[in-house]
Amino acid sequence: SYVLAQPVSVSVAPGETARMTCEARNIGHITVNWYQQKPGQAPLLVMYFDSDRPPGIPERFSGSNSGNTATLTITTVEAGDEADYYCQVWDTSREEVVFGGGTKLTVL
Amino acid sequence: QVQLQESGPGLVKPSQTLSLTCTLSGASLSDSLYFWSWIRQPAGQGLEWVGRISENSSPNYNPSLDGRVTMSIDTSRNQLSLMLTSVTAADTALYYCASLSGYNAFDVWGQGTLVTVSS
Repeated sequence: SYVLAQPVSVSVAPGETARMTCEARNIGHITVNWYQQKPGQAPLLVMYFDSDRPPGIPERFSGSNSGNTATLTITTVEAGDEADYYCQVWDTSREEVVFGGGTKLTVL
Repeated sequence: QVQLQESGPGLVKPSQTLSLTCTLSGASLSDSLYFWSWIRQPAGQGLEWVGRISENSSPNYNPSLDGRVTMSIDTSRNQLSLMLTSVTAADTALYYCASLSGYNAFDVWGQGTLVTVSS
């Protein structure tokens, strides 16, 4: 089964690039989705199928997935990007959804 | 526009059964392209998948819930239901319903409903 490991926190200054990772053995063999959750709000899908953006998600958000690491990258970070970010996969062999523990992105 | 709205009692006593409903608008629960899921989040913690169901497939549940979960669909009311038996304080959480797209991504979420397990 997949256990998705995410760093607890990532901090960047405004205008810099934030990279949030999601690690699991052979995660590159399956597709990864990413969610943004701001305080008091439901999660919002920001990336699906590794690197596809839903409508309304800025081009500053991009995703990649290879080997043992999936990455959500946010370029030109803004204060409004400060949130918790969760990765998620569908484990086909066990027929279950797995979430990572989440990364808190702080914009300094 | 697809919208999901959770409802149910905010307080459940230990050992009793938690029952929640999610009402869908703007789409049909009988849409075979989608699964419908419950996800929960204890205060200050991460997301935990509870289960998924569609009209045309057997449900799948999180095995960590030890068989305490039952999900059902009422297409006539366009409602999704969750039952969780033998609850403990560990089941206290914000419970979300969400649609699970063909990419196995949760693309629409309800606002969530808080359930507290306490005597």
